[in-house]
Amino acid sequence: DAKTTQPPSMDCAEGRAANLPCNHSTISGNEYVYWYRQIHSQGPQYIIHGLKNNETNEMASLIITEDRKSSTLILPHATLRDTAVYYCIVRVPNNDMRFGAGTRLTVKP
Amino acid sequence: DGGITQSPKYLFRKEGQNVTLSCEQNLNHDAMYWYRQDPGQGLRLIYYSQIVNDFQKGDIAEGYSVSREKKESFPLTVTSAQKNPTAFYLCASSIGALSYEQYFGPGTRLTVT
Repeated sequence: DAKTTQPPSMDCAEGRAANLPCNHSTISGNEYVYWYRQIHSQGPQYIIHGLKNNETNEMASLIITEDRKSSTLILPHATLRDTAVYYCIVRVPNNDMRFGAGTRLTVKP
Repeated sequence: DGGITQSPKYLFRKEGQNVTLSCEQNLNHDAMYWYRQDPGQGLRLIYYSQIVNDFQKGDIAEGYSVSREKKESFPLTVTSAQKNPTAFYLCASSIGALSYEQYFGPGTRLTVT
């Protein structure tokens, strides 16, 4: 699986959009981009995934660049409950998940 | 409610003892996984099972053993051979190995002294 690079930490003001970047410059054509988050001392929670096109669901939007070498997870209106570690993972569906250290997002009032 | 349960939430053991962590799911998922997480780090795969009576080693299987006798259950035994067993252990399941999404349990924090 391709390696991902994420900033170790970010802050965001409550009610504003949180934009979390991820670099995956060695991604191959059949690898998907996944985002999970982990609130302290809980199991990770699936957020969204995509291959080439931008995706949106009730939790977030995923923007993938045309060359697929990077992506951005957008939480449109961050709340205090969105404070968590966010993991960007690239994998093919039948391979195991490789979680890096992620980005610790802190939403501030 | 469907989901994954892990018990207990906190577990304490003396060094040299084997300990078994429970993981049960009622999602009718074929695939199940065990991960270990150390403070400030990501998850590392210990074992996974794609189907009943079959399981595969992950990246850090040494000192651990599993069984998959029932679809709903995937217990993990931390043996005395595991050098640094103190960690947060997470169980997950997915519809199949080819599925996109894994569902995680709440985790068990094991402390060995």
